[in-house]
Amino acid sequence: SYELTQPPSVSVSPGQTARITCSGDALPKQYAYWYQQKPGQAPVLVIYKDSERPSGIPERFSGSSSGTTVTLTISGVQAEDEADYYCQSADSSGTWVVFGGGTKLTVL
Amino acid sequence: QVQLQESGPGLVKPSQTLSLTCTVSGGSISSGSYYWSWIRQPAGKGLEWIGRIYTSGSTNYNPSLKSRVTISVDTSKNQFSLKLSSVTAADTAVYYCVGSTSINYFDYWGQGTLVTVSS
Repeated sequence: SYELTQPPSVSVSPGQTARITCSGDALPKQYAYWYQQKPGQAPVLVIYKDSERPSGIPERFSGSSSGTTVTLTISGVQAEDEADYYCQSADSSGTWVVFGGGTKLTVL
Repeated sequence: QVQLQESGPGLVKPSQTLSLTCTVSGGSISSGSYYWSWIRQPAGKGLEWIGRIYTSGSTNYNPSLKSRVTISVDTSKNQFSLKLSSVTAADTAVYYCVGSTSINYFDYWGQGTLVTVSS
């Protein structure tokens, strides 16, 4: 079965830049999407189509893609950005949805 | 803006069928503008897509769950439902119903409901 691979954890100090990667063989063919999930809450879409930002999402959130890896970048990290982040995409046929295992972002 | 609310039993016995309903407000479930999905999350673990239903009634299911899953729509009640048969403790999770304006991602989430499988 198709998998997306994320690092389990990333730690940064406030004001620094956090980068969270997601790797998958079908990523050159399929867009990636990123969700932020805080404890006890439902996930929130923060990036769609690799690099687009939904309305209401702060500009410090950005996304990029290179080959089989996509990256979520949070510039000028704030304490409120501490959360779990999940990448999501589809298999090469575009039918099945796949989530990465999630990355816990800790703001030191 | 579309809002979703899950409902159903919080406790299901092993081998039985888990049944959940999602009530949609702020939009018509039969509108071609949306897709409807179920996603679950075991405690302390990641998200798992269960499946989706289109307004046409056609469905896509996670291959790992396909033999046990049925998603259906009741347009008269503006609801869609999940049935998962032959449950085990591994099916214990928070279950989210989700509405999407795109087939590719998920933008409207319910608050989630915890379902525990235990005797």
